[in-house]
Amino acid sequence: QVQLQESGPGLVKPSETLSLTCTVSGDSISSYYWSWIRQPPGKGLEWIGYIYYTGSTNYNPSLKSRVTISLDTSKNQFSLKLISVTAADTAVYYCARQGVGGGRFFDYWGQGSLVTVSS
Amino acid sequence: SYVLTQPPSVSVAPGKTARITCGGNNIGTKSVHWYQQKPGQAPELVIYYDSDRPSGIPERFSGSNSGNTATLTISRVEAGDEADYYCQVWDTSSDHVVFGGGTKLTVL
Repeated sequence: QVQLQESGPGLVKPSETLSLTCTVSGDSISSYYWSWIRQPPGKGLEWIGYIYYTGSTNYNPSLKSRVTISLDTSKNQFSLKLISVTAADTAVYYCARQGVGGGRFFDYWGQGSLVTVSS
Repeated sequence: SYVLTQPPSVSVAPGKTARITCGGNNIGTKSVHWYQQKPGQAPELVIYYDSDRPSGIPERFSGSNSGNTATLTISRVEAGDEADYYCQVWDTSSDHVVFGGGTKLTVL
């Protein structure tokens, strides 16, 4: 059974960098697409970006200038960095696996990690 | 960028049929996926490739997609179906994932 688990600080100060890691178990990270998705309190889902096992990435244009997603195949992990955060970045952050087929749906999700941006 | 439009809310009585729509320009040419999200939980895939059900999802959940509208249909609605539902596509032209705004299903 594939499992994903987010980890990282739950509180980040404004203007600083949000960093989260997703640890994948039950499958090798050396296949599939691996995405980050966030959900502000009471709002909908927003795709942040993905990294393919080859290392190629693609980001939501609204966040592209501030986001970096990276991969550590030796640890079966991938990570998210979001710089210059503001209160608007407060959200539950999910990591998820995305299939390589034509539809690219998300079949496995982490439980989510609430990150609050506040001084 | 590609936009998906969902009604904010849908209400249905127990035992009846709920239909949740997802509108997009020529969405019938894309593969649509649906997720159910209950309070405090991560989203769960309930329909993929327009109408396929993952293992463990009841047959009461079905999907269709044509023209400018995709539809998630839940038959014989139960109280446990009350949740937020999101549609999602992959915009091949930009290689971006797009979610609809979500629909809150209320079971009366």
